[in-house]
Amino acid sequence: DGGITQSPKYLFRKEGQNVTLSCEQNLNHDAMYWYRQDPGQGLRLIYYSQIVNDFQKGDIAEGYSVSREKKESFPLTVTSAQKNPTAFYLCASGSRSGINEQFFGPGTRLTVL
Amino acid sequence: GENVEQHPSTLSVQEGDSAVIKCTYSDSASNYFPWYKQELGKRPQLIIDIRSNVGEKKDQRIAVTLNKTAKHFSLHITETQPEDSAVYFCAASQGTYKYIFGTGTRLKVLA
Repeated sequence: DGGITQSPKYLFRKEGQNVTLSCEQNLNHDAMYWYRQDPGQGLRLIYYSQIVNDFQKGDIAEGYSVSREKKESFPLTVTSAQKNPTAFYLCASGSRSGINEQFFGPGTRLTVL
Repeated sequence: GENVEQHPSTLSVQEGDSAVIKCTYSDSASNYFPWYKQELGKRPQLIIDIRSNVGEKKDQRIAVTLNKTAKHFSLHITETQPEDSAVYFCAASQGTYKYIFGTGTRLKVLA
């Protein structure tokens, strides 16, 4: 299960606070992704990055922000503008050479108190 | 927008029976279709995938079929075992880097 890691595993946030979720990969993948998973729903794309210093919004980007300063790292910030942030957040990475398997991290469960 | 529909949402089978999960996609340009298995509280893991130039692919007890004309693809699990119990997600590629995921099927294999 190595290759892509996320921290922390559990995160609690008070309303009005920004929090940052970490995602690191050592698979030498160019592309990285953030998904949100809610009970009974599929994985919804928040942001993705094809290459360092570049990223695009996914389907549910409002209230989230990302950065991609290093190939290995793609942190996600959940801002206070995200009205319902309690969810399971999954980071993934994939090869840039055509559409291929995405490898997932173990996830971070965020709970707003 | 483009979407992927997945059915059924829950599926219970007796151990040793077969299970079939079906997905329909809307983007005619989709050319890669992975299936992921997610056990409770864990990360999704790829179990099988198929590309648009192939109609069927098999890996031991797992097979996937693709009908590009009808925009359907299906996961078949034979001789089910209790350890097959999990949530299964289908996905269809969108462009070069993105997937659209189905909403998942919770499979329960009853011993």
